[in-house]
Amino acid sequence: KAGVTQTPRYLIKTRGQQVTLSCSPISGHRSVSWYQQTPGQGLQFLFEYFSETQRNKGNFPGRFSGRQFSNSRSEMNVSTLELGDSALYLCASSLGQGILQETQYFGPGTRLLVL
Amino acid sequence: DQQVKQNSPSLSVQEGRISILNCDYTNSMFDYFLWYKKYPAEGPTFLISISSIKDKNEDGRFTVFLNKSAKHLSLHIVPSQPGDSAVYFCAASLRSPARQLTFGSGTQLTVLP
Repeated sequence: KAGVTQTPRYLIKTRGQQVTLSCSPISGHRSVSWYQQTPGQGLQFLFEYFSETQRNKGNFPGRFSGRQFSNSRSEMNVSTLELGDSALYLCASSLGQGILQETQYFGPGTRLLVL
Repeated sequence: DQQVKQNSPSLSVQEGRISILNCDYTNSMFDYFLWYKKYPAEGPTFLISISSIKDKNEDGRFTVFLNKSAKHLSLHIVPSQPGDSAVYFCAASLRSPARQLTFGSGTQLTVLP
């Protein structure tokens, strides 16, 4: 089975711009979660989608948003970019089928640099 | 408030010896714990997990121990190999359908040949 894929792998933007990142989960996985990794804050949960609905959300401002499509692929969007948004953005997928204790499998991440 | 803590930012071990990585948590609602290995600029790779109803889980060279009363878990790697050198993250999830993982800050393991 192919793993979680994320595109693009690297991105450079300037302050004030917006960016869209894409994630394709493992085949058969219906839950997609997004995380941000920075040197100062570590790995932090952004949000989780299941069946095209946001099921859970972390403590991030409204500039961070996402969506999920009927094929379980997900996108996250960051508007009005700030320097502090420079980070590695990770997507993780899991079955999401009501099994409470599930393992999340991560993609390689998208490295975003905001100048 | 850090709910999952890895107090050792780094650990060096000789090849062939045991590596022990530790993790403490504060939220008693966590019921599933996972260890991930991560290389720079890559996504975390799942290693091993343990449910709160167990106190030990083994997979090859990797064993995770859970002490619920102490809210402590540890990852043992025996024998350690140079290829094990990476950052190891402990993560926990809540007793709910939510898929949110709370991560520790990571421990850099260096296995010396």
